[in-house]
Amino acid sequence: QQQVKQSPQSLIVQKGGISIINCAYENTAFDYFPWYQQFPGKGPALLIAIRPDVSEKKEGRFTISFNKSAKQFSLHIMDSQPGDSATYFCAATQAGGFKTIFGAGTRLFVKA
Amino acid sequence: DARVTQTPRHKVTEMGQEVTMRCQPILGHNTVFWYRQTMMQGLELLAYFRNRAPLDDSGMPKDRFSAEMPDATLATLKIQPSEPRDSAVYFCASGLGVYREKDTQYFGPGTRLTVL
Repeated sequence: QQQVKQSPQSLIVQKGGISIINCAYENTAFDYFPWYQQFPGKGPALLIAIRPDVSEKKEGRFTISFNKSAKQFSLHIMDSQPGDSATYFCAATQAGGFKTIFGAGTRLFVKA
Repeated sequence: DARVTQTPRHKVTEMGQEVTMRCQPILGHNTVFWYRQTMMQGLELLAYFRNRAPLDDSGMPKDRFSAEMPDATLATLKIQPSEPRDSAVYFCASGLGVYREKDTQYFGPGTRLTVL
């Protein structure tokens, strides 16, 4: 079964610090790797995404690093803020299709 | 402000009852997804459609769940009969469905289902 493994399960970071969440996938037939952010009581919302032909993508304080050979990708949140406190999901979408497998999620808490 | 809408937002029912959840995708989107979220299993893809045709429902228990798109503005997820283990938040998401471009899925607010 295709899987996306995410760690850590939870993370506490001081305001201004760097939050790092890691994911690994087991199937090479993925061609799109999004990260979603979910606040309590809300649906997930796309934060940032990357395709396997690039090794890094940055949007503001959020950066995805992608290692195709290791089948790993990670989310870095620079200058973490209390408003970033949420659950973050990595995901992988099948090549040539739209089926998306989500990681288990990481609950991030940024201390003020 | 285009968004995915889901009804009802909350549903409490008794075991054995039929449950119908509805989703209105964003106008112009041609892919629709149904997910189930629980603490234990996380976000699970139940089924998805493209241009109203079901493309994958391998994540859905076939004996009690069914998903349909009667038209481009309505997707439904039915559970009959419902069981306590079906208690979860069910999300609908829609997307443009353009291969290799804009594969963003836009999620609705979810339907919180409790089966007693």
